[in-house]
Amino acid sequence: SQKIEQNSEALNIQEGKTATLTCNYTNYSPAYLQWYRQDPGRGPVFLLLIRENEKEKRKERLKVTFDTTLKQSLFHITASQPADSATYLCALENSNYQLIWGAGTKLIIKP
Amino acid sequence: SAVISQKPSRDICQRGTSLTIQCQVDSQVTMMFWYRQQPGQSLTLIATANQGSEATYESGFVIDKFPISRPNLTFSTLTVSNMSPEDSSIYLCSVDEGQLETQYFGPGTRLLVL
Repeated sequence: SQKIEQNSEALNIQEGKTATLTCNYTNYSPAYLQWYRQDPGRGPVFLLLIRENEKEKRKERLKVTFDTTLKQSLFHITASQPADSATYLCALENSNYQLIWGAGTKLIIKP
Repeated sequence: SAVISQKPSRDICQRGTSLTIQCQVDSQVTMMFWYRQQPGQSLTLIATANQGSEATYESGFVIDKFPISRPNLTFSTLTVSNMSPEDSSIYLCSVDEGQLETQYFGPGTRLLVL
């Protein structure tokens, strides 16, 4: 079955630096992969979607890469700010066309 | 993007009772989804609710425990029946943009069962 792995340990980054989060998956190669942000007590909020034929996608300070050979996506936040502190989830479509989710990585940006 | 509200936002319930969670969307949507998220865990899909038909439940979830209603294209309810402390979790409803590519979530209902 499809599995998604995200670093369960919190990531502490100094303000202004680039934060990089990793999402690894096994088995089935998805047609696309998504990244969401979740703040405490709130539902996830969609950030970016990247398709299998796209190597990289950007949105303002966010950048996502998708390596189908490594079965990995990297999520970068450049010029990080304390307001970027949140849990970031990756999600992908499995072979049954269902969206499955990683457990998320908590990002802490220190001023 | 769809705006979704949920009621209640949180509740504390006694073992053996039932709670019905409401999900309201500001636009008509075909598919609505109900998820459970336990602390530090990933989102787990409970069921998909389509208007005019029975909900489709994922492995490990049954209609008797989690009955779902979908009376129209903007509203759905999830009932957590005969609750036990193991049902303590955050319950989220979501909708997609029609092709399951982007999902929009409600704020969630935080449930604590004593």
